[in-house]
Amino acid sequence: NAGVMQNPRHLVRRRGQEARLRCSPMKGHSHVYWYRQLPEEGLKFMVYLQKENIIDESGMPKERFSAEFPKEGPSILRIQQVVRGDSAAYFCASSSGDEETQYFGPGTRLLVL
Amino acid sequence: AQSVAQPEDQVNVAEGNPLTVKCTYSVSGNPYLFWYVQYPNRGLQFLLKYITGDNLVKGSYGFEAEFNKSQTSFHLKKPSALVSDSALYFCAVRDRYSGAGSYQLTFGKGTKLSVIP
Repeated sequence: NAGVMQNPRHLVRRRGQEARLRCSPMKGHSHVYWYRQLPEEGLKFMVYLQKENIIDESGMPKERFSAEFPKEGPSILRIQQVVRGDSAAYFCASSSGDEETQYFGPGTRLLVL
Repeated sequence: AQSVAQPEDQVNVAEGNPLTVKCTYSVSGNPYLFWYVQYPNRGLQFLLKYITGDNLVKGSYGFEAEFNKSQTSFHLKKPSALVSDSALYFCAVRDRYSGAGSYQLTFGKGTKLSVIP
């Protein structure tokens, strides 16, 4: 059973460009969570999605960030007009229910130049 | 609001010795508690969790953790450390019955474990 998959693993963008991060949950999982890890810090919750629905985006910055989990295909975290402060590791997790264990992907390390 | 404290940024232990990585938490209701391990440039790997029942939880790779409600602690332990256990360890908590947002995991800042040969 393949684990949570994320791509790309590393992403370099210049200030003002767009970053698109993809996450494919584990087979059988319909709940996806995105977390951000800044250097020397723990992970911070950003958004929780189920298929075609954003359940909770309370941890997401109000501007430039958006997330989706379409009926078909991976979940996408999009960051528009990136700034240097967006440089971080972005982790996706999935679970089979909102009370079940979250399993994490390998992360996407975003570097904004 | 829920929070997690990992009081030690780094723990050094000799190979073969027992190890403990400390974690204390704060939630308004009853906690779900988790330990994850992160190897360099990798994602978080689930080790174990406490939901209910026995206070001593056994997990992967010989790790275990003890839930102590009175001390609001969930320390990670292993009887005999291996060099391959060297990694970054994260404790996480979620509130079992807080309704909206209860699925959010709140993480500590992590403890770097170094096992010395």
